[in-house]
Amino acid sequence: AQTVTQSQPEMSVQEAETVTLSCTYDTSESDYYLFWYKQPPSRQMILVIRQEAYKQQNATENRFSVNFQKAAKSFSLKISDSQLGDAAMYFCAYTGTASKLTFGTGTRLQVTL
Amino acid sequence: DGGITQSPKYLFRKEGQNVTLSCEQNLNHDAMYWYRQDPGQGLRLIYYSQIVNDFQKGDIAEGYSVSREKKESFPLTVTSAQKNPTAFYLCASSIGQGISPLHFGNGTRLTVT
Repeated sequence: AQTVTQSQPEMSVQEAETVTLSCTYDTSESDYYLFWYKQPPSRQMILVIRQEAYKQQNATENRFSVNFQKAAKSFSLKISDSQLGDAAMYFCAYTGTASKLTFGTGTRLQVTL
Repeated sequence: DGGITQSPKYLFRKEGQNVTLSCEQNLNHDAMYWYRQDPGQGLRLIYYSQIVNDFQKGDIAEGYSVSREKKESFPLTVTSAQKNPTAFYLCASSIGQGISPLHFGNGTRLTVT
C-alpha cells in the first residue's frame, strides 16, 4: 500500500519570506500523480499544485513550486513571498493506478508579520 | 456554478442512531469519494465510487455504508456500529478517467453524544 509522510506537524514563516514543506511517499508504481492541497480555517480543501511522476520538470503555480525527487520519493512544496492568506493546513497526497487519493497527516503553516 | 454540496454543515446525533450525510455534485464527474478527517490523522478514505451502482471500500469502511443510485449523489450513512463517529466528513469527486485531481465539498461536522 502507498503511504505519504509529512514529518513537520507545524511550520512558521515570516511574511514575504520563503518556506519549504516536506513530503515523502512510498510506492512501487511507476506512474502516479502527487498533489499539494491547502485547507484554510474554512476547512475547504483547495488544490495548490500537482505533479505527474513521468515529468522531470518541477511544477510551478505562481508563488508555489515543488521539488520532485522521484528516486528519493520526495515531493516538497516551496512557498515564495509568503502572505498572510497562505496560513493553513497543507496536505501532500498521492494517487496511482487505484485512482484513490492517499493523504499525509498535514503540516500547519503559520505566517507571521 | 458547478460544485459539490454537502449538507448539513453541522449535524448532531445521539449514540445508537444511524445518520446520513448528503453529497451532491453537478460537475458531471464519474467518481465520488468520502473521507473522514480527525485531528493529527489527515484524511482517511471511507468509500469511493467510480461509476453509478458500484462502490468500493476504502481504508476505514467499517461502520459506514454508501449508495450510488445517481451520478450526482453519493450519500454516506454512519451506522451505530461505527465506534467513534464524531469527526469531520469530506465528500469529493473527480472526472474518474485516468488520474485526475479531486474537487471537495465544504464538509459536514458530525457530533455524536
